[in-house]
Amino acid sequence: GIQVEQSPPDLILQEGANSTLRCNFSDSVNNLQWFHQNPWGQLINLFYIPSGTKQNGRLSATTVATERYSLLYISSSQTTDSGVYFCAVGVPISSGSARQLTFGSGTQLTVLP
Amino acid sequence: DAGITQSPRHKVTETGTPVTLRCHQTENHRYMYWYRQDPGHGLRLIHYSYGVKDTDKGEVSDGYSVSRSKTEDFLLTLESATSSQTSVYFCAISWNPRDNSYEQYFGPGTRLTVT
Repeated sequence: GIQVEQSPPDLILQEGANSTLRCNFSDSVNNLQWFHQNPWGQLINLFYIPSGTKQNGRLSATTVATERYSLLYISSSQTTDSGVYFCAVGVPISSGSARQLTFGSGTQLTVLP
Repeated sequence: DAGITQSPRHKVTETGTPVTLRCHQTENHRYMYWYRQDPGHGLRLIHYSYGVKDTDKGEVSDGYSVSRSKTEDFLLTLESATSSQTSVYFCAISWNPRDNSYEQYFGPGTRLTVT
């Protein structure tokens, strides 16, 4: 099956710093998502980004599908950004539009005040 | 956020007892999924549904069954709970015809402990 690797596994930042999280995947995909799992366990959708670049406030993401990687940028980090960031790629599991998400192992981000 | 609720949110049960978890959506998404999240394994797909009464197995389906009698409800049943099924269970949905997108949205999760 497809392999998804994230780096770094852990990241500690001072509030206000910028960071880049990386996701590498082993096969071509047309479905890639970034999630934030907050300290209460909720999985929050950040980006659905099979290719190209998107921005949402202080966060932006870029996927280069031909080179099999995606990047998540966090600028001016805040303590509320703490948690685990997951990259997940979707692979078809039926003849329709169902997709099984394969998750990376995540990046644990801690933002210190 | 997509309208997805899960019940119960927390449950403690004994080995050998049956357990049913419920996922309810108000978004009219076609596909519904059950994942479990465990340390060291990330999220793994248990079962999924591609329509009312249409379900199929995921990668870790042993010991679980599902049913979907209405578009909005997807039930996960542990016929006889075992300690290895202690986990956090997430429901997800995807494919609203308006969006033409594969994006999945997750419910808040159910923390299940089997003693």
